[in-house]
Amino acid sequence: DQQVKQNSPSLSVQEGRISILNCDYTNSMFDYFLWYKKYPAEGPTFLISISSIKDKNEDGRFTVFLNKSAKHLSLHIVPSQPGDSAVYFCAARLNSWGKLQFGAGTQVVVTP
Amino acid sequence: NAGVMQNPRHLVRRRGQEARLRCSPMKGHSHVYWYRQLPEEGLKFMVYLQKENIIDESGMPKERFSAEFPKEGPSILRIQQVVRGDSAAYFCASSPGQGIRETQYFGPGTRLLVL
Repeated sequence: DQQVKQNSPSLSVQEGRISILNCDYTNSMFDYFLWYKKYPAEGPTFLISISSIKDKNEDGRFTVFLNKSAKHLSLHIVPSQPGDSAVYFCAARLNSWGKLQFGAGTQVVVTP
Repeated sequence: NAGVMQNPRHLVRRRGQEARLRCSPMKGHSHVYWYRQLPEEGLKFMVYLQKENIIDESGMPKERFSAEFPKEGPSILRIQQVVRGDSAAYFCASSPGQGIRETQYFGPGTRLLVL
């Protein structure tokens, strides 16, 4: 039962433009959401998170938006840079700790 | 401050052999999680451990798989009698404990290939 979904397997964006990655979830009990970035042959690297009591969190070029009524979150990267080319995973958790449930990932390619 | 360490990075086994994957959490972290990533898929939770305790093993296959996190030393994920379907990347993550909204930090993974 896939409770976290990333419906876009890939995204191509020009350097300097905005990248918008989307994530949908089905379990309204999720309390905490995280975005990870992953390069080939490496482990996921934590990017940014948001708790269910907030609707926006910003950290440098990365902003995460949460729409609880729509069970949707998005990650905005502005401006996109070549080093942002990677797979981005959305993850959700029921409690303050415990297992993460991951989406299938979105491959981002930033072109010059 | 060293990150999460996993070894080996690559492991090749023949069907029927045993695979042992090791994970050393970040300094100061006492909680360890194991995830598996099959080709073209996201990460799937397997097991969550504290020192000497299994907290949640709801993602572990019922047979052949076991995990431990002893008082001293790394966490071990053990796969007995491996089959080709066990070929995957296995990632370990650690966190400090059960605080408020803790982040899990991942190691580089062990890529298991079963021939």
